[in-house]
Amino acid sequence: GDSVTQMEGPVTLSEEAFLTINCTYTATGYPSLFWYVQYPGEGLQLLLKATKADDKGSNKGFEATYRKETTSFHLEKGSVQVSDSAVYFCALSETGNQFYFGTGTSLTVIP
Amino acid sequence: SAVISQKPSRDICQRGTSLTIQCQVDSQVTMMFWYRQQPGQSLTLIATANQGSEATYESGFVIDKFPISRPNLTFSTLTVSNLSPEDSSIYLCSASGTAPWVLTFGAGSRLTVL
Repeated sequence: GDSVTQMEGPVTLSEEAFLTINCTYTATGYPSLFWYVQYPGEGLQLLLKATKADDKGSNKGFEATYRKETTSFHLEKGSVQVSDSAVYFCALSETGNQFYFGTGTSLTVIP
Repeated sequence: SAVISQKPSRDICQRGTSLTIQCQVDSQVTMMFWYRQQPGQSLTLIATANQGSEATYESGFVIDKFPISRPNLTFSTLTVSNLSPEDSSIYLCSASGTAPWVLTFGAGSRLTVL
């Protein structure tokens, strides 16, 4: 079945550091891939998505590239800010209805 | 995108009682979903709430324990019945249909069972 594996946290970085959160997936077909972010006390919200191989999703300085050959969708940001502190979830969907989420990676950015 | 209001935001309940969580969307949506979020674990889909028909439950979740209503295209409730401490978790309502392939989430309901 479909599944998502993402790097375990927590991750602590200094402000302006480079961020990578790894995500790999297993799917029977050709899924769309997503990163969701959950700020403290809030629900998940979509950060970025990619719908086919080699697509790059980007938003708020974050990027992730759909790599079919390595079944990966790693999240990156060149310079993190304190306001990026949150939990990040990688997810996939083949149908647009059934979504599979990773376990989440908690990021704390310190000034 | 749609805005989802979920309540209560948190509650503390006694063992053996039930809690009903309400989810209101500010626009009509096709699909509504209920997830459970436990610390250190991925979101687990409980069921898909279908308007005008029975909810579709995932493996490990049953209607007697998690009855769901979906009376219209903007509202759903999840009841967690016969509470035990193992039910302590965050329950999330979500919806799709406002934008293709995108889920919108409520802020969640944090349940603690004593």
